[in-house]
Amino acid sequence: GAGVSQSPSNKVTEKGKDVELRCDPISGHTALYWYRQSLGQGLEFLIYFQGNSAPDKSGLPSDRFSAERTGGSVSTLTIQRTQQEDSAVYLCASSGNRDEQYFGPGTRLTVT
Amino acid sequence: AQSVTQLGSHVSVSEGALVLLRCNYSSSVPPYLFWYVQYPNQGLQLLLKYTTGATLVKGINGFEAEFKKSETSFHLTKPSAHMSDAAEYFCAVIQGAQKLVFGQGTRLTINP
Repeated sequence: GAGVSQSPSNKVTEKGKDVELRCDPISGHTALYWYRQSLGQGLEFLIYFQGNSAPDKSGLPSDRFSAERTGGSVSTLTIQRTQQEDSAVYLCASSGNRDEQYFGPGTRLTVT
Repeated sequence: AQSVTQLGSHVSVSEGALVLLRCNYSSSVPPYLFWYVQYPNQGLQLLLKYTTGATLVKGINGFEAEFKKSETSFHLTKPSAHMSDAAEYFCAVIQGAQKLVFGQGTRLTINP
């Protein structure tokens, strides 16, 4: 079946602009995660959605970052007033059980 | 809090040689441990996982890992390297509400 998909695959934006990154999880997966991969920080957890529960936002680096998940499926990660240090690959993963997370190909964000 | 340390940011082996990628973890509770592989410009793919039971776990592409509680290790091995194994490998542990905590990664190069 289809895996996790993310769009866009690449995004170049100017400093100060807002961006939205989209994630389509595997159908039926109740858990959805966002991670960030950058040269300096490696792979970092950002936010976790599980069903209808309140999301775990403990990894969001600042209040410029937010995410939502509509209808328990598609998720959007929004970064407001982007900064150069936001440049990274943003990875989405979904899970149908408590063990295995399946990752999308990522969105490469470049802030100029 | 759980954490993971990967020894060696770069490992280079000859084609046909043994691959050994080292991972040590720190956890106050029995850990769930994972190895992921990332090929260039792609997302993360699960190689194998340890949750409970047998301490030697086999994964895809001929890789295996052994959970050693006494050594707090979960090293990844493959008896004979293939050119297609060239990639970056991440060890990870589940923390709290199922979020993955990753090591810094090991880039594996295969020499012909």
